[in-house]
Amino acid sequence: DSGVTQTPKHLITATGQRVTLRCSPRSGDLSVYWYQQSLDQGLQFLIQYYNGEERAKGNILERFSAQQFPDLHSELNLSSLELGDSALYFCASSVSGGGGEKLFFGSGTQLSVL
Amino acid sequence: AQTVTQSQPEMSVQEAETVTLSCTYDTSESNYYLFWYKQPPSRQMILVIRQEAYKQQNATENRFSVNFQKAAKSFSLKISDSQLGDTAMYFCAFMNPGNQFYFGTGTSLTVIP
Repeated sequence: DSGVTQTPKHLITATGQRVTLRCSPRSGDLSVYWYQQSLDQGLQFLIQYYNGEERAKGNILERFSAQQFPDLHSELNLSSLELGDSALYFCASSVSGGGGEKLFFGSGTQLSVL
Repeated sequence: AQTVTQSQPEMSVQEAETVTLSCTYDTSESNYYLFWYKQPPSRQMILVIRQEAYKQQNATENRFSVNFQKAAKSFSLKISDSQLGDTAMYFCAFMNPGNQFYFGTGTSLTVIP
């Protein structure tokens, strides 16, 4: 158990809908990362937050947004969903978000868009 | 943009033998980090080993070691004394100074009893 909690584990929805994925980092970790793993795109880094502030941005679509709250949990919002958004979405956390830090991954949220 | 290439989609190794997984990357940065992550069938992502680009010494973690060739932009993973539990997908990853990650497409490793 990595200590990172992601909910829900599975999510099935329809095209055009909006969903929210939730991540609780390990106790004491200030930084949260979001990743997408799909069959056609592979593993992609989406975005990183540190202590509530956006720190790094990857291949995150404009339809997607994220935030980190004062209690350090993070949410990834996916809107106007398309079939191609079906993927496993991982959250990871680290102590300070510094370069090269060990990341602890959650078990992921499997999103299926039908 | 940085790219990470894993040219071996699938590999297999006999239990107790040694196997090397290849990874090359492309970057204009001088300081960065490299990682190998393991994803077993449970789909949990687990850090295997990491290397800081400014360190010339190759990283080692028990049975796992890397061969880091900075000039060649190569970062291979050697697994010694392979165990059945090593069966997994292995991803090579690059992290730039801006904390952005780039992953390879993965190598599926099967350890044969």
